[in-house]
Amino acid sequence: SQTIHQWPATLVQPVGSPLSLECTVEGTSNPNLYWYRQAAGRGLQLLFYSVGIGQISSEVPQNLSASRPQDRQFILSSKKLLLSDSGFYLCAWATGYDSPLHFGNGTRLTVT
Amino acid sequence: QKEVEQDPGPLSVPEGAIVSLNCTYSNSAFQYFMWYRQYSRKGPELLMYTYSSGNKEDGRFTAQVDKSSKYISLFIRDSQPSDSATYLCAMSANTDKLIFGTGTRLQVFP
Repeated sequence: SQTIHQWPATLVQPVGSPLSLECTVEGTSNPNLYWYRQAAGRGLQLLFYSVGIGQISSEVPQNLSASRPQDRQFILSSKKLLLSDSGFYLCAWATGYDSPLHFGNGTRLTVT
Repeated sequence: QKEVEQDPGPLSVPEGAIVSLNCTYSNSAFQYFMWYRQYSRKGPELLMYTYSSGNKEDGRFTAQVDKSSKYISLFIRDSQPSDSATYLCAMSANTDKLIFGTGTRLQVFP
């Protein structure tokens, strides 16, 4: 069966520091991969998605970037965090355009 | 107007009650509809996935889609305290980009 791993679960970082969140999927090949941010009362905001290695689509221009160095690995990064980057970050995967998303357990990021 | 509207709640019901959760939407191109359950500090978990109109049942859960009214529902029968969570509806035209509701918080008390 397929599983998705996302770490760390919680993270506290100072303003201006770099960020790297990692997500890996097991049990499937060539999944679509997604990064979402969830803010209280505002639902899920799609940040990036990828349909293959090295292919990244950005939905919202911001202080973040994403990379997909391997088929089942998706990384969310920032060179310098802002206070507004605080939130709950979720990685998700899908087998294709006609299948639903499956989420990891998220990373709660607090920028101080 | 948001593409997907969902009452944030909270909705508080006694154990054993039938719960009705709803979303409305504006984009008539939506044809894939999903319901997710999210416990506090966890990622959303897929509950139901339906295509186009009609009903789908899975255990105590029933999903309904009424495309003519642009309205979807999730019914939970014999609700349990373990059903207490936030329920998110989601939909898309091709599942490439899901549009999520903001979620309804449900509390089931013993």
